[in-house]
Amino acid sequence: AQTVTQSQPEMSVQEAETVTLSCTYDTSENNYYLFWYKQPPSRQMILVIRQEAYKQQNATENRFSVNFQKAAKSFSLKISDSQLGDTAMYFCAFMIYNQAGTALIFGKGTTLSVSS
Amino acid sequence: DVKVTQSSRYLVKRTGEKVFLECVQDMDHENMFWYRQDPGLGLRLIYFSYDVKMKEKGDIPEGYSVSREKKERFSLILESASTNQTSMYLCASSSAAAGNTEAFFGQGTRLTVV
Repeated sequence: AQTVTQSQPEMSVQEAETVTLSCTYDTSENNYYLFWYKQPPSRQMILVIRQEAYKQQNATENRFSVNFQKAAKSFSLKISDSQLGDTAMYFCAFMIYNQAGTALIFGKGTTLSVSS
Repeated sequence: DVKVTQSSRYLVKRTGEKVFLECVQDMDHENMFWYRQDPGLGLRLIYFSYDVKMKEKGDIPEGYSVSREKKERFSLILESASTNQTSMYLCASSSAAAGNTEAFFGQGTRLTVV
C-alpha cells in the first residue's frame, strides 16, 4: 500500500525561528514525485515545494527547503525565518505513475502555528 | 491564471438524497482527483481519473461514484447521502506530462448531510 506518515500533528514556532516538519512515505514504485502543500485558513491548497525522486539534490524555494533521503523514504520540510503568514496546515504528498494512471497520496497533515 | 472550480463552497443535503459535486478545470489536464478532508485524517483519495471516461478507485470509494464525460469536468456522486459523508471535499487536477506534476486544487466544498 502507498502511504504517507506525518508524525507531528501540531507544531509551534516563534517568528524568525526555523522549524522542520517530518514526513515518511512508503511505495514500491521507483519513479515518483514528492510535495509539500500548505493549506491556510482560507482552505486553498498551495504548493510549497516539490522534489523529483530521481534527483539527489534537495529542492529549495526561498525560505523552504527539503531533506530528501530516498533510501530511508524520508522527506522533511525546513522553514527558515518563520513568518506569521506561514501559519497553516502542511501536507506531505507523493505522486506516482503506473498502469492504473496517476495517484496523488497525502499524509494527515501538520498544523503549524507561528507566533510573534 | 490556472483554475479548478468546484460548483459549491457550502452545501446542505438531507439523508438519502443523491448529491452531485461538480469540478471543472481549465488547464486541459488529463488527471483529476476527488478527496475528502476530515480533521485528524488528512486528505483521503476517493476516486481519480486519468482520462475521459476512465476512473480508478482510491482509498475510500464506498458510497461514492464518479463521472468524467468531458476532459474538463469530473463529478463526484453520493448515491444516497448519509451523515457520515459530512465532510470537506476537495477536487484537484494535474497534467500527465513528464516533469509537469503540480496538482491544482479547487476551493473545496463543505458538505453537511442532515
